[in-house]
Amino acid sequence: DAKTTQPPSMDCAEGRAANLPCNHSTISGNEYVYWYRQIHSQGPQYIIHGLKNNETNEMASLIITEDRKSSTLILPHATLRDTAVYYCIVRLSGNTPLVFGKGTRLSVIA
Amino acid sequence: GAVVSQHPSWVICKSGTSVKIECRSLDFQATTMFWYRQFPKQSLMLMATSNEGSKATYEQGVEKDKFLINHASLTLSTLTVTSAHPEDSSFYICSARGDSPYEQYFGPGTRLTVT
Repeated sequence: DAKTTQPPSMDCAEGRAANLPCNHSTISGNEYVYWYRQIHSQGPQYIIHGLKNNETNEMASLIITEDRKSSTLILPHATLRDTAVYYCIVRLSGNTPLVFGKGTRLSVIA
Repeated sequence: GAVVSQHPSWVICKSGTSVKIECRSLDFQATTMFWYRQFPKQSLMLMATSNEGSKATYEQGVEKDKFLINHASLTLSTLTVTSAHPEDSSFYICSARGDSPYEQYFGPGTRLTVT
């Protein structure tokens, strides 16, 4: 029942930008796009979220297409510590919980 | 801010015994808490949602009599795995949401091994 589609794995060279794509073609107008990541054997960590505008914070940038059917998470200068599983999640605001798909396993290589 | 803790971080128990896992929001009041389970090499699966002072809502396929959830205060929720079996061995992660509906924070997880 995943609402998002992500590649199962990606590699990125240390110091380069990591661009993680996500398809959410059935997203509705009031659903937000969230990104979390999970480093091995830890709880998920919030990265960023957005509705329709591009967003940037100290960790990453979120680029959402104009039709909102896909988005890209950008880690501008990937480090080895960014190696993790990255989850793209769409959900309504309010009381709906986060439902995780399979995510993308990002490996940052020295 | 927005720290969620779990205790214990890992536990080993014998089959047939019960285990309690605590989840605390350290610097905010959590009106809603969530419990997830994660098997090796799999994604997180939502088990239940609890609001302070009310009964938890369990996801389909999760036995409410086996996984007892108590959310008695705005900073504490507990998950008790009753009559644990080896197939209950998993990584249990709690999550908490405060006043903002946009933010959901996760604990570090508890690894349960049932022998």
